[in-house]
Amino acid sequence: SQQGEEDPQALSIQEGENATMNCSYKTSINNLQWYRQNSGRGLVHLILIRSNEREKHSGRLRVTLDTSKKSSSLLITASRAADTASYFCATSPANFGNEKLTFGTGTRLTIIP
Amino acid sequence: SQTIHQWPATLVQPVGSPLSLECTVEGTSNPNLYWYRQAAGRGLQLLFYSVGIGQISSEVPQNLSASRPQDRQFILSSKKLLLSDSGFYLCAWRRQGDSPLHFGNGTRLTVT
Repeated sequence: SQQGEEDPQALSIQEGENATMNCSYKTSINNLQWYRQNSGRGLVHLILIRSNEREKHSGRLRVTLDTSKKSSSLLITASRAADTASYFCATSPANFGNEKLTFGTGTRLTIIP
Repeated sequence: SQTIHQWPATLVQPVGSPLSLECTVEGTSNPNLYWYRQAAGRGLQLLFYSVGIGQISSEVPQNLSASRPQDRQFILSSKKLLLSDSGFYLCAWRRQGDSPLHFGNGTRLTVT
């Protein structure tokens, strides 16, 4: 079953604008990760945030985590055409150690040049 | 450096035929290994994961099975494919602990 759910399902913005995607999950987690998938390819890890962290940055990416609301957001600043991809959150449920990692349904991001 | 190999890239199989997808990892030892399936335009469904040789956890009861005969080899199998088995199959590995997943390039399976 899907642990996470991304919102929106699809997002189109102009190049240079910021893109925000949200992820909600159901159970307590050890950590939450964001991945990117270009069409027809495997996923690539972007950033990991642990349950005791609230915010993390990596280049143009900013991730927040609110464990009380069971939600996370991914912000991509100054978007580029190359950012066009699907973005997924993945969670490691707290009662399964770190072995199990389940993915959300994804947000399809399109950057318009 | 670590690499993951997954093959074949594409596969067309008739209903009722067997399946064997192989995944191998190089450059690391005792990895956690995973099989996911992705339906067209959808999220990833966790099928199996393994934390060691011969240790397989199944997430979805169906006509698929997985085996880990060697430390860095993970095999997904079926005795008889169904139409609903069509999809994009992804193998992945990660180190123990809260490390990121590293994915292969996937196998696109079409059952006809």
